[in-house]
Order: sequence, then structure tokens, then C-alpha cells
Amino acid sequence: GAVVSQHPSWVICKSGTSVKIECRSLDFQATTMFWYRQFPKQSLMLMATSNEGSKATYEQGVEKDKFLINHASLTLSTLTVTSAHPEDSSFYICSAADIYSNQPQHFGDGTRLSIL
Amino acid sequence: AQSVTQLDSHVSVSEGTPVLLRCNYSSSYSPSLFWYVQHPNKGLQLLLKYTSAATLVKGINGFEAEFKKSETSFHLTKPSAHMSDAAEYFCVVSDKARAGGTSYGKLTFGQGTILTVHP
Repeated sequence: GAVVSQHPSWVICKSGTSVKIECRSLDFQATTMFWYRQFPKQSLMLMATSNEGSKATYEQGVEKDKFLINHASLTLSTLTVTSAHPEDSSFYICSAADIYSNQPQHFGDGTRLSIL
Repeated sequence: AQSVTQLDSHVSVSEGTPVLLRCNYSSSYSPSLFWYVQHPNKGLQLLLKYTSAATLVKGINGFEAEFKKSETSFHLTKPSAHMSDAAEYFCVVSDKARAGGTSYGKLTFGQGTILTVHP
């Protein structure tokens, strides 16, 4: 089946640091990638949708200057949390889809981000 | 607009007994519906999907779900629970069918149901 690799799986860093999370589709071309945020004991909330070669579309209430998304190739999207603060601590999950296939999104294993 | 309501935040069963996780949806379009499972600190794994074909959908690990349009429900069942089924389950609806493609569009997640399986 389709595999999506997300890296790192866990990161701890100091407040004010910028953190980059990578999402790769390993065996298919991901025309579209999605970034979600999940707070403890809560559901997934879509942050943004990115299409290869285009600017990401952010959901209402998500700061695009805070959460920078790049989708430069059909197999890689990155989420950079700029100047991270403790309130940015969360579980971030990416998913990838080939919108021209009849397959739903495939999810990565998530990144646990802890800001001290 | 679309929404999903998972009627139980927690379900507890004994190993070997049936599992029922309830889900109701609302959608302005002909919906696609999914059930995903999430183990602790992991991403989501697709259990099964409904995309306007057969209303009874069989998935992995013995799970199945029935789409009932009249009840706007998509409940997940399994005849006999196993200890490894303990996880969190999400019911998801999608506004699919972008013209010219088969995009599943934006996913809307339910709040999740935590399944506990007792020995």
C-alpha cells in the first residue's frame, strides 16, 4: 500500500526556535498534501492544503506566516513552525493524496512537537 | 457543509464480544465516508471507505460498516473484538467528486471514539 513518511517523529526545542517537519510520499506522486494538528484527546484539525508547485491554502484561523508550508515536488512537503512557542506544542500529522487516483489520503505517523 | 458526530467518546468491550462504534454524518453532497484507526502517537490507518457503491463495506481486520442514507449513519462493527483493536477510531466524511477527477476533497473528522478491550 501507499506509504507516507513523516520526519522527525519527535522533537523538543527551546522557545523561539524554528522547526521543520518533512512529509514524503515514498511510492506514489502526491499532487496534494494536507497538514493537520491534533491536540491531546481531540480530533484532527486541518491546518492547510498544499498542491505541488502552488501556494498552500490555509484554513481560517491558521497563521500562514507562523506555519510555512512548501510543496516543491510531487513527493515532498515541509511544514516549518517559525519562532515556536509553548502553545505550538502539539501532534502534527501530514497526509498525501494523488487527486487523479481513486484513493483516499494516506497519513504519516505524525510528529510530536514539544516547545520548552 | 459537512459534519460528523461520533455518538460515543469511549466504548469498552470484552475480548471476543461484538464491537459497535456509532457515527452520524451530515453532508450537502453525495458523501464519501471513511473509518480510520489511530494507535497512540501514530498516524491514521484506513479501515474502510464508502464511495456510493455497495452500502455494506468490508474493511481490514474484520471490521465492516453499513451506510444508511435514511438514518444518515455509518456505524462501524466487528463481530469479535481482539486486544489489538484497542485504539482510537475516527469517522470521516469527504466532499468528493471534483469535476474531472476523483479528488476526495477536504476531510472532516469526528471527535473520535476510544475503544478499550478487556481480557
